[in-house]
Amino acid sequence: EVQLVESGGGLVQPGGSLTLSCATSGFAFSDYAMSWVRQAPGKGLEWVSSVSGSGISTYYADFVKGRFTISSDSSQNTIYLHINNVRAEDTAIYYCAKHLVATLAFDYWGQGTLVTVSS
Amino acid sequence: QTVVTQEPSLSVSPGGTVTLTCGLTSGSVPNNYYPSWYQQTPGQSPRTLIYSTTVRSSGVPGRFSGSILGDKAALTITGAHADDEADYYCGLSLGRGISVFGGGTKLTVL
Repeated sequence: EVQLVESGGGLVQPGGSLTLSCATSGFAFSDYAMSWVRQAPGKGLEWVSSVSGSGISTYYADFVKGRFTISSDSSQNTIYLHINNVRAEDTAIYYCAKHLVATLAFDYWGQGTLVTVSS
Repeated sequence: QTVVTQEPSLSVSPGGTVTLTCGLTSGSVPNNYYPSWYQQTPGQSPRTLIYSTTVRSSGVPGRFSGSILGDKAALTITGAHADDEADYYCGLSLGRGISVFGGGTKLTVL
């Protein structure tokens, strides 16, 4: 059974940083790309970033502007999202999602972790 | 910037048929954007319904189908159930690892 479990969310002050984790199980981690997708309160889904199964290739949405870094650790079957200089508009539920093939559609989603940016 | 368009809201009667669409402000949705569809109910994670335009994800009922209608990707629900009331998102794979979602359609079954 495929499982994706996010952690690391919480309350963070503007200008701070945090790292989100997504622990995976139930599939060959290095064979599949993974993404982070966020959803602000009451808003739609927004793709943030993806990483290839090898961890070598990374991709980002334009709005990231160098503040976000995605990475993966195949020894832990875990991906990460580090966010620097957080802003109020980063407040959202952050989901990790497994890609079906390459970086095409998603087939599994985690339960999400809530990030709240506030002083 | 790629902007994906969806109807903000639609309604359907129980047992009825409804089609949700997914378009691009820049033109047609090509098959090599591999349109996908996701269902989200309040407080839940998204659930994958359709990928590669027409392929139903495992466990998805046959009343959900995907297609291309004109220049848009489409999700059709035939014989809607009350529990189909949800938000539906279209996703496109733009290549070079980039994905994008539409703004979502809030479907009401009444």
